Amino acid sequence: RKEVEQDPGPFNVPEGATVAFNCTYSNSASQSFFWYRQDCRKEPKLLMSVYSSGNEDGRFTAQLNRASQYISLLIRDSKLSDSATYLCVVNFPSGAGSYQLTFGKGTKLSVIP
Amino acid sequence: EAGVTQSPTHLIKTRGQQATLRCSPISGHTSVYWYQQALGLGLQFLLWYDEGEERNRGNFPPRFSGRQFPNYSSELNVNALELEDSALYLCASSLRGMSSYNEQFFGPGTRLTVL
Repeated sequence: RKEVEQDPGPFNVPEGATVAFNCTYSNSASQSFFWYRQDCRKEPKLLMSVYSSGNEDGRFTAQLNRASQYISLLIRDSKLSDSATYLCVVNFPSGAGSYQLTFGKGTKLSVIP
Repeated sequence: EAGVTQSPTHLIKTRGQQATLRCSPISGHTSVYWYQQALGLGLQFLLWYDEGEERNRGNFPPRFSGRQFPNYSSELNVNALELEDSALYLCASSLRGMSSYNEQFFGPGTRLTVL
């Protein structure tokens, strides 16, 4: 099983639509979770950190289900500027009290006028 | 506040040469991370430096190495370049990295092309 798995998409949605991305992770000892967005040929930018049962930031809602080792990202009222690749990121313990970010391969979103 | 900076933006080398990439973290951040993003692939963790020490490394051969300087900036060296080393190399920084909750912020990357 891959460490962090995402549906690669692409998701093509009209402006104003609601879209949800899913992500599963393999290591039950993981403590922290993040969503990053990455525009074409640019660096990843932190979108949201996901703690405890999840959180909301404007049009974006992230949910965490530790029992199922599953994270989701919901985008409401999609804008053209939301078009990007969304990366699910999990912090895995890597021994000696250390941690390491592991990235999913990303889900590509295209918002269409 | 200035973000993470990286230099050079682009680097072209030939097989067998060495490449040196540089990174300056956000002020106040002591941890620096290096990642490789090859075309069509996800980000792969390379190295983590904190307080001048290498704290962790990913599944890469020893010809990938680096260091962190007293001002927390960092250098990534890739020796004996191979064609498959062509990729976007991203540097990220965070507050001291021993907490799993520290968020990482990325620089714009160095695009390395090996001919």
